[in-house]
Amino acid sequence: NAGVTQTPKFQVLKTGQSMTLQCAQDMNHNSMYWYRQDPGMGLRLIYYSASEGTTDKGEVPNGYNVSRLNKREFSLRLESAAPSQTSVYFCASSEALGRDADTQYFGPGTRLTVL
Amino acid sequence: AQSVTQLDSHVSVSEGTPVLLRCNYSSSYSPSLFWYVQHPNKGLQLLLKYTSAATLVKGINGFEAEFKKSETSFHLTKPSAHMSDAAEYFCVVSVRSSASKIIFGSGTRLSIRP
Repeated sequence: NAGVTQTPKFQVLKTGQSMTLQCAQDMNHNSMYWYRQDPGMGLRLIYYSASEGTTDKGEVPNGYNVSRLNKREFSLRLESAAPSQTSVYFCASSEALGRDADTQYFGPGTRLTVL
Repeated sequence: AQSVTQLDSHVSVSEGTPVLLRCNYSSSYSPSLFWYVQHPNKGLQLLLKYTSAATLVKGINGFEAEFKKSETSFHLTKPSAHMSDAAEYFCVVSVRSSASKIIFGSGTRLSIRP
């Protein structure tokens, strides 16, 4: 039982390049999330998927797209990377958004640098 | 509208002394409240959560938090700090059914002096 896994762990991009961050969970959770973490700002929600087949914007969606490939996998795509997207990205999953005190489980993170 | 404020960006205590990490929240609805811990270069792990069943919540590793509605606070405490407690701690407020209403505090970095 690996929990939430993310690939890659580290990535360096040049401005304008594209890439996809991968996330998978093996806990049969319905809901999945992508956050970015910047110093002194906590975590900010980029996109989320309440259930398989649905995705919605979070607080900071600009410059990103997502795909809920199946119940296990939720990917985040940067179409044209910018230096402002340099950050640590975390994927999380939870049993079901909407349940009382639904707990999120986090992956280890992807450290992305855009030059 | 919802918000969460962690009152200290950095707390430093000596090993064996009490820990207090402060969190105030604002919510238009009955909130769920969480504390997560993040060790260096790791993901976040749930410490404890408040779900309205009891105002004093016990979590892992000896941590606990008390929900005080009158003070809109959910402070995290531990009676005796251990070196392994050195980490970043996040207070989180959420409202049912809306991912956009999951709000993370800016974090408190806890340092432990030998």
